[in-house]
Amino acid sequence: DQQVKQNSPSLSVQEGRISILNCDYTNSMFDYFLWYKKYPAEGPTFLISISSIKDKNEDGRFTVFLNKSAKHLSLHIVPSQPGDSAVYFCAASANTGNQFYFGTGTSLTVIP
Amino acid sequence: GAGVSQSPRYKVAKRGQDVALRCDPISGHVSLFWYQQALGQGPEFLTYFQNEAQLDKSGLPSDRFFAERPEGSVSTLKIQRTQQEDSAVYLCASRLRRERGTQYFGPGTRLLVL
Repeated sequence: DQQVKQNSPSLSVQEGRISILNCDYTNSMFDYFLWYKKYPAEGPTFLISISSIKDKNEDGRFTVFLNKSAKHLSLHIVPSQPGDSAVYFCAASANTGNQFYFGTGTSLTVIP
Repeated sequence: GAGVSQSPRYKVAKRGQDVALRCDPISGHVSLFWYQQALGQGPEFLTYFQNEAQLDKSGLPSDRFFAERPEGSVSTLKIQRTQQEDSAVYLCASRLRRERGTQYFGPGTRLLVL
């Protein structure tokens, strides 16, 4: 049973516009969330994280929003750049955070 | 090197063959994780080490899978009697501390079992 879901397999956005990637989770014990970016033939690269005590975390062009009541988080990229084209995974953990559950990923294409 | 390295990057094995996959974590990182990523899926947790202690192996799919980290640095994931369903990318990640914090991933080993 998939505890972390990314329902959009792909997303295309024009350069300079906002990219919004969504993630839903089912386990109410999850309290720490991360977004990773993955290029082909490389391992995932950490982007940004958020703990459940916050509802927003911002780092440059990347902002993650957490809605605990809806068990939903989203990653906003503003402005989107062609180099942002990659697969984005959200991941969640509970308690000590030694086991992370990943979504299936969303492939983002930023069109120049 | 500065990052997590894994070897080999690609491995083709005949069904029934044993394979060993190596992970060199970032120096000084206490925690080490192994994940399995099937085509079109996200990484799935296999096992976790804190230094040399394997604290969680709940994700290992069968007793054919075995992982070790004898000196608390390099780790090896061994798969015995490989099956076609073992074909996947095997990712290793390390983390500086015992709890929370960012996991840094290696490039993965792509295993193909024929």
